[in-house]
Amino acid sequence: DQQVKQNSPSLSVQEGRISILNCDYTNSMFDYFLWYKKYPAEGPTFLISISSIKDKNEDGRFTVFLNKSAKHLSLHIVPSQPGDSAVYFCAASVGFKTIFGAGTRLFVKA
Amino acid sequence: EPEVTQTPSHQVTQMGQEVILRCVPISNHLYFYWYRQILGQKVEFLVSFYNNEISEKSEIFDDQFSVERPDGSNFTLKIRSTKLEDSAMYFCASSVDRGSGANVLTFGAGSRLTVL
Repeated sequence: DQQVKQNSPSLSVQEGRISILNCDYTNSMFDYFLWYKKYPAEGPTFLISISSIKDKNEDGRFTVFLNKSAKHLSLHIVPSQPGDSAVYFCAASVGFKTIFGAGTRLFVKA
Repeated sequence: EPEVTQTPSHQVTQMGQEVILRCVPISNHLYFYWYRQILGQKVEFLVSFYNNEISEKSEIFDDQFSVERPDGSNFTLKIRSTKLEDSAMYFCASSVDRGSGANVLTFGAGSRLTVL
């Protein structure tokens, strides 16, 4: 089941710079896309979402962009902070089923 | 802030034994889920539960798995006869009625299951 793919297992960014995490999906029926953040020994926590009818949603330092024609979304974190270091999961939902990608581990260096 | 609580945090069991993982979802949430994450892999959907019945399940959720909400607060996942490949972190999650918005899941910290 590869409906949601995160092709970069890890990303390293300098503090203060932009972090860009990418995600691709295959199922056109998804109606919402979400990003979750996960710290070690904790469950994933919701970060930001976007409806399939939008192309951008912004919440503070976090912006999610959706390109439906390319079936691609990205999460931008500006500026990146050391506390942002975590695993970021892209997720897509239809109804009450949410499918997660494999995650991208973000390292923000001070 | 309300949270989803899971017990036990870690369970070690012998292959073939039954295991019950417990979860207390957020009190006003109506939808409940189990996910699992095998070490180093993605978070996989197992099952969703609403109004005392399974609303959706994945191909992973076979006859060895069952879920129950026995008393209106706990939500349990039972694995009848554990296999080595059941070793994973199991996450419980809950969500409110989404209305017209995104179905945002609130996850517990997870229960690590080790099958020997």
